[in-house]
Amino acid sequence: QSALTQPASVSGSPGQSVTISCTGATSDVGNFNYVSWYQQHPGKVPKLMIYDVSHRPSGVSSRFSGSKSGNTASLTISGLRAEDEGDYYCSSYTDTGSRTGTTVFGTGTKVTVL
Amino acid sequence: EVQLVETGGGLVQPGGSLRLSCSTSGFTFISYAMSWVRQAPGQGLEWVSTISGRSASTYYTDSVKGRFTISRDNSRNTLYLQMNSLRVEDTAVYYCAKPPGGWLRYIDSWGQGTLVTVSS
Repeated sequence: QSALTQPASVSGSPGQSVTISCTGATSDVGNFNYVSWYQQHPGKVPKLMIYDVSHRPSGVSSRFSGSKSGNTASLTISGLRAEDEGDYYCSSYTDTGSRTGTTVFGTGTKVTVL
Repeated sequence: EVQLVETGGGLVQPGGSLRLSCSTSGFTFISYAMSWVRQAPGQGLEWVSTISGRSASTYYTDSVKGRFTISRDNSRNTLYLQMNSLRVEDTAVYYCAKPPGGWLRYIDSWGQGTLVTVSS
């Protein structure tokens, strides 16, 4: 049950793009297309931004996109805006032998808009 | 509208116990696996436990196995987390979390969280 590995921080200027990586293993990210990403502002509840690697929930900006290659998933924020500043966590389904499964979160990445 | 409301947090001494509750509405509770996720002060998210819709399966992160018990009352649409032998490192905001279906594919709804502080 080791946490997925994310960079501690990334930063960019308004309008730029930033990409956050999320590295797991064959037991989670590498074997399932069930990676999700959450945004969390200070003192707030996490918000789902991406599910199933690359799908956006209704209401989430198209500036957010997700992808996966092997054991590493990525979240890209395009056209960076001040309101994108916050903490981002990836998560992956992990197989427990029962379909209910469990989940493992990433270590978290602080996004700073310069 | 889905609503998840946690209660039961508070200050407890090391070795003590607490029971968290999560009252839910807005969806067919029995059809969904439910989870608890915690976040220590200034730290990241940590999955704690999951229970299947009819309570047939329960799962725990290693650090709480044997100390925490997840349960649910489908007649009351309520999720519980019984926490025994609490440790200082269990101090965190505990979130009730709902996936989109009967298994933990991702979390689409979160409660507002309840703070558990373990300190002497």
